[in-house]
Amino acid sequence: DGGITQSPKYLFRKEGQNVTLSCEQNLNHDAMYWYRQDPGQGLRLIYYSQIVNDFQKGDIAEGYSVSREKKESFPLTVTSAQKNPTAFYLCASSVQGAWETQYFGPGTRLLVL
Amino acid sequence: AQSVSQHNHHVILSEAASLELGCNYSYGGTVNLFWYVQYPGQHLQLLLKYFSGDPLVKGIKGFEAEFIKSKFSFNLRKPSVQWSDTAEYFCAVTSSGGSYIPTFGRGTSLIVHP
Repeated sequence: DGGITQSPKYLFRKEGQNVTLSCEQNLNHDAMYWYRQDPGQGLRLIYYSQIVNDFQKGDIAEGYSVSREKKESFPLTVTSAQKNPTAFYLCASSVQGAWETQYFGPGTRLLVL
Repeated sequence: AQSVSQHNHHVILSEAASLELGCNYSYGGTVNLFWYVQYPGQHLQLLLKYFSGDPLVKGIKGFEAEFIKSKFSFNLRKPSVQWSDTAEYFCAVTSSGGSYIPTFGRGTSLIVHP
């Protein structure tokens, strides 16, 4: 059963703490993306990666970091530099030749304590 | 740069009412247009897309959208909504001269009363 999994479903962060959100896909897609969803603001691109060991900043990359060591995995770290991390985070993937059509995971909701 | 506007942020309808959600984009070149839907507790999923050809595109669950180039619009329609259509709807655009990564609108929250 192919798809994208994100864990955890809910994540709590303390002040000054870094947290990592997991994203795994078994669709054999080349590209992976991280979006942030805030109420009334739609989806905003944080980072994306078209190929292993390469990634690019999106529109709101400050305070976030990523890695792409494996094709299936694209973890997102929310660092202490991100001053307003409370949001719903969506991971997506797409296949070479059809980059535009994206497949989304179930999301992780991050809350700050 | 490409951008998308969804003017209806919240829509409340009764079952069997007709639906039209507005989407306007700003990019003068060749565009690809999408509608995504996020049902409560479910993944964001593709509803329909337009790349080229017939400007009237049909998607899943009886939805359709019409690309009107002169109006820079891609409005989503359904003649008769059901309670199960309650969801958040996002319009998105990619462009040949801009980015292949979709730019999303702010979303429209649709509530359908049974």
